Amino acid sequence: GQQLNQSPQSMFIQEGEDVSMNCTSSSIFNTWLWYKQEPGEGPVLLIALYKAGELTSNGRLTAQFGITRKDSFLNISASIPSDVGIYFCAGPDQTGANNLFFGTGTRLTVIP
Amino acid sequence: GAGVSQSPSNKVTEKGKDVELRCDPISGHTALYWYRQSLGQGLEFLIYFQGNSAPDKSGLPSDRFSAERTGGSVSTLTIQRTQQEDSAVYLCASSLGGQPSNTQYFGPGTRLTVL
Repeated sequence: GQQLNQSPQSMFIQEGEDVSMNCTSSSIFNTWLWYKQEPGEGPVLLIALYKAGELTSNGRLTAQFGITRKDSFLNISASIPSDVGIYFCAGPDQTGANNLFFGTGTRLTVIP
Repeated sequence: GAGVSQSPSNKVTEKGKDVELRCDPISGHTALYWYRQSLGQGLEFLIYFQGNSAPDKSGLPSDRFSAERTGGSVSTLTIQRTQQEDSAVYLCASSLGGQPSNTQYFGPGTRLTVL
């Protein structure tokens, strides 16, 4: 199946530190998405990657689409308390269906 | 503009009862998705609607689960004879179209607890 494995499962960092998390798959994905979910809310799209090797930034967030198409990473620079949440990677079903597969998430806690 | 809304926000029910969860997508979005998120897990796809096409039901875990989308807008997810393992957050998303490049916008979810 098209499973996405995220690491680490959780992170506790001091405010101001940089954060790195990654997502790997045994299958090739043609699109990688990174979402953030805050308590009581649905996930919100942060960054979308459509091309192998692509490096995309959104403010303090930077994500890369791995050259093998089987991995992606997300970096957050100079973390702030509002970065707290669960970060999910996701990719579209490669069988032609229209749903997204989601990773199990990385829970980020930022200590002020 | 309004985002995706879901109701109720929380639902507690007894095992064996039926429940209905509602989703109001963003106006003009033709694609609508239901996902389930169990505690500490990622999202699991349930069902997808696109325009007037037959829905993709491939993610529904059992025949106790069904969904409808009336008039191409509001959708209702029904779970019959609920079981404790059905306890989860049920999330609805909509997008402008059904392509992977169309961003899915999620509602806040309905937290279902089956006692």
